[in-house]
Amino acid sequence: DTEVTQTPKHLVMGMTNKKSLKCEQHMGHRAMYWYKQKAKKPPELMFVYSYEKLSINESVPSRFSPECPNSSLLNLHLHALQPEDSALYLCASSRYPGGYNEQFFGPGTRLTVL
Amino acid sequence: KNEVEQSPQNLTAQEGEFITINCSYSVGISALHWLQQHPGGGIVSLFMLSSGKKKHGRLIATINIQEKHSSLHITASHPRDSAVYICAVQETSGSRLTFGEGTQLTVNP
Repeated sequence: DTEVTQTPKHLVMGMTNKKSLKCEQHMGHRAMYWYKQKAKKPPELMFVYSYEKLSINESVPSRFSPECPNSSLLNLHLHALQPEDSALYLCASSRYPGGYNEQFFGPGTRLTVL
Repeated sequence: KNEVEQSPQNLTAQEGEFITINCSYSVGISALHWLQQHPGGGIVSLFMLSSGKKKHGRLIATINIQEKHSSLHITASHPRDSAVYICAVQETSGSRLTFGEGTQLTVNP
């Protein structure tokens, strides 16, 4: 199994809703990443988990809350989002954090905040 | 000035043409990645380089560490190659990728 899966593919939510994005990999990778991508822009790093511990938080607002329950699973909990948070949210994983390690990307979750 | 600069931003080619996309960077790196993204889709890793040259099918990637420059070549381009191509560097310090702005490639039949 050499893929990163993400669910759901599409999500529409109101500003008062609470929702979660899910990312899963079964490649034994020890680093997992959340990126946000706006239209016609490159991905922006949000969070990095190394060995199931949060190692990088790129000053992301607290309405985004990451969680890594185990080495295969990464969640992003969403609460009280704003319309400008509408974007493609990409998950990625690599064997180890940093260095000469390929990142494998999931297909993304297209989020629309109304 | 961005740490990773790509050129051109947009590229239109006719089917069969040889295509080159360039990437320059200004930081020390442990790896350089070429990524492909189709409209509305996820990102696919094409190459990861730290030196020299790699080839996969019609795609070739080269890197010159001294000049801090990499190129992605597509030979015999095809409409299915139409996508955004992104150069990203893994800095020697830390675990984050720094991305270029991407090159939108359109190959017309």
